[in-house]
Amino acid sequence: AQSVAQPEDQVNVAEGNPLTVKCTYSVSGNPYLFWYVQYPNRGLQFLLKYITGDNLVKGSYGFEAEFNKSQTSFHLKKPSALVSDSALYFCAVRDRFSGGYNKLIFGAGTRLAVHP
Amino acid sequence: GAVVSQHPSRVICKSGTSVKIECRSLDFQATTMFWYRQFPKKSLMLMATSNEGSKATYEQGVEKDKFLINHASLTLSTLTVTSAHPEDSSFYICSASPRGSGNYNEQFFGPGTRLTVL
Repeated sequence: AQSVAQPEDQVNVAEGNPLTVKCTYSVSGNPYLFWYVQYPNRGLQFLLKYITGDNLVKGSYGFEAEFNKSQTSFHLKKPSALVSDSALYFCAVRDRFSGGYNKLIFGAGTRLAVHP
Repeated sequence: GAVVSQHPSRVICKSGTSVKIECRSLDFQATTMFWYRQFPKKSLMLMATSNEGSKATYEQGVEKDKFLINHASLTLSTLTVTSAHPEDSSFYICSASPRGSGNYNEQFFGPGTRLTVL
């Protein structure tokens, strides 16, 4: 079965420190992977995606993610966290069996708290 | 570009009434729109996939007669919660995939609608 796991419910980071939000996936074949961020009472905003090519993907707001096929991971990173990065982060993988519908399978989400 | 709007952003209704939520792609055509439900501090639960001009495809366990979806045009999909009950209170989010975008483009999400049923 296809799935996405975000093993941490919450990540706490001090402002200015690097942050990592973990994501692992389980799909057959080559995965299409995405990261989204959600601020309180808002919809999801796209951060970045991996489809093919360079394993290090750069996205919005200084975030990046590294695709690691051997570890089936797609961890989200940022070199220096900001208090404004505090939000709920979702990792997602395209459902390979959704035909042309481009359905996504979401992880449970990780709440990032950046402290001043 | 790629903006999706939802209306209303917040709605409070009495039990037994029906509520319609609109999802619009403002600057692109969306062959497919998705409707999600999100419980507090939880992930998104896909309710249904809505395709322009055809019937929606509902996920297992989602009552199609309870949650009516209409995708009348390439820029508009509506979700109607019929005979709403307090347990239907939730945050409903739609998303859209641009027409002809293939299978690897991101979905663009609306800002969500907070439904409270009294």
